[in-house]
Amino acid sequence: GDSVTQMEGPVTLSEEAFLTINCTYTATGYPSLFWYVQYPGEGLQLLLKATKADDKGSNKGFEATYRKETTSFHLEKGSVQVSDSAVYFCADGPERGGNKLTFGTGTQLKVEL
Amino acid sequence: DAGITQSPRHKVTETGTPVTLRCHQTENHRYMYWYRQDPGHGLRLIHYSYGVKDTDKGEVSDGYSVSRSKTEDFLLTLESATSSQTSVYFCAISDRRDQPQHFGDGTRLSIL
Repeated sequence: GDSVTQMEGPVTLSEEAFLTINCTYTATGYPSLFWYVQYPGEGLQLLLKATKADDKGSNKGFEATYRKETTSFHLEKGSVQVSDSAVYFCADGPERGGNKLTFGTGTQLKVEL
Repeated sequence: DAGITQSPRHKVTETGTPVTLRCHQTENHRYMYWYRQDPGHGLRLIHYSYGVKDTDKGEVSDGYSVSRSKTEDFLLTLESATSSQTSVYFCAISDRRDQPQHFGDGTRLSIL
């Protein structure tokens, strides 16, 4: 089966720093791609998604672009806040409308003042 | 927030005992999923359901069974719990295959 690889954490940044969390996938074709965020003690929440090549998903200042040529979906934010401290998961879903997600192992982000 | 309730939220039990976790949704979504979350593994799919009485295995289904007798409820059963099943379990739902999944708050299960 396919796999999703994301950079290991924890990642520690100062407030207002630039964030990049790398994510690559191995699925062939054109899977849907997702970023989920998990705050302490909570379930996962969808942060953003992209469903076809060159799509850019965005939400709450976070962005990720579907790069078919590099099979990547890196998460970026120009200026992080303390409230962004959480665990971030990259995931892909199979093409042709299937809905079984494959998750990366998660990247913990800690933002300090 | 999507109407998903997992129960119990926390449970401690002993090896060899049966355990049932419940996921209840008020969204009338067709698809329901059970995942486990473990350090270094992210989330792994245990079982999923695509309708009442329609279920299928995920990547880590050994030692688990599920049932869905009503649209709103999806039960996960550990017939004889083992320490390797200590984990945080998440339920998720989605309306259509091409829609994102929405997650419950999780059940923390400890098996001693």
